[in-house]
Amino acid sequence: EAGVTQSPTHLIKTRGQQATLRCSPISGHTSVYWYQQALGLGLQFLLWYDEGEERNRGNFPPRFSGRQFPNYSSELNVNALELEDSALYLCASSSDIYEQYFGPGTRLTVT
Amino acid sequence: AQSVTQPDIHITVSEGASLELRCNYSYGATPYLFWYVQSPGQGLQLLLKYFSGDTLVQGIKGFEAEFKRSQSSFNLRKPSVHWSDAAEYFCAVGTNNAGNMLTFGGGTRLMVKP
Repeated sequence: EAGVTQSPTHLIKTRGQQATLRCSPISGHTSVYWYQQALGLGLQFLLWYDEGEERNRGNFPPRFSGRQFPNYSSELNVNALELEDSALYLCASSSDIYEQYFGPGTRLTVT
Repeated sequence: AQSVTQPDIHITVSEGASLELRCNYSYGATPYLFWYVQSPGQGLQLLLKYFSGDTLVQGIKGFEAEFKRSQSSFNLRKPSVHWSDAAEYFCAVGTNNAGNMLTFGGGTRLMVKP
């Protein structure tokens, strides 16, 4: 069974640009979660999508947004990039409330 | 709101020695508790989980954890550490009331001496 996949592996952007990160969940999983792992800030919950709808979001500004497609894959968009957005962005998927399985992450570097 | 504390930022143990990583949580009801491991530059791998029932749970790679409600703890243990266990370990709490988001502790970096 294929795990959660994320693309790209690395992404380098300039301050003020937009970044798009993609996630494909495990087959059969309908929920996708996004987390940010920034140096010194730990792992923080960003967004939760389920059945195509945004169900919950963490304490992040509106320039962090995303969507979930009919095939349950998901996209995270970060607009007006700031230096402090540099982080590892982890996607997780789940079929129920009990377990989340994580992908390898996308390393976003903002210069 | 729930929170998780991992008091030890770094731990060094000798290969073959036993290991205990501490985790304390704060939540009003019975939480869902998890331990994840992260190797450098990688995502998170689920080691084990606790939802209810037997308070001693077994996980992968020879790890186990014990839920102690009176101490609000969920410590991770391994009787004999291997060099390949060197990684960062994260304790997390999840609750259905919080939209299924996981709240993570700050992590404990484990180093293994030969």
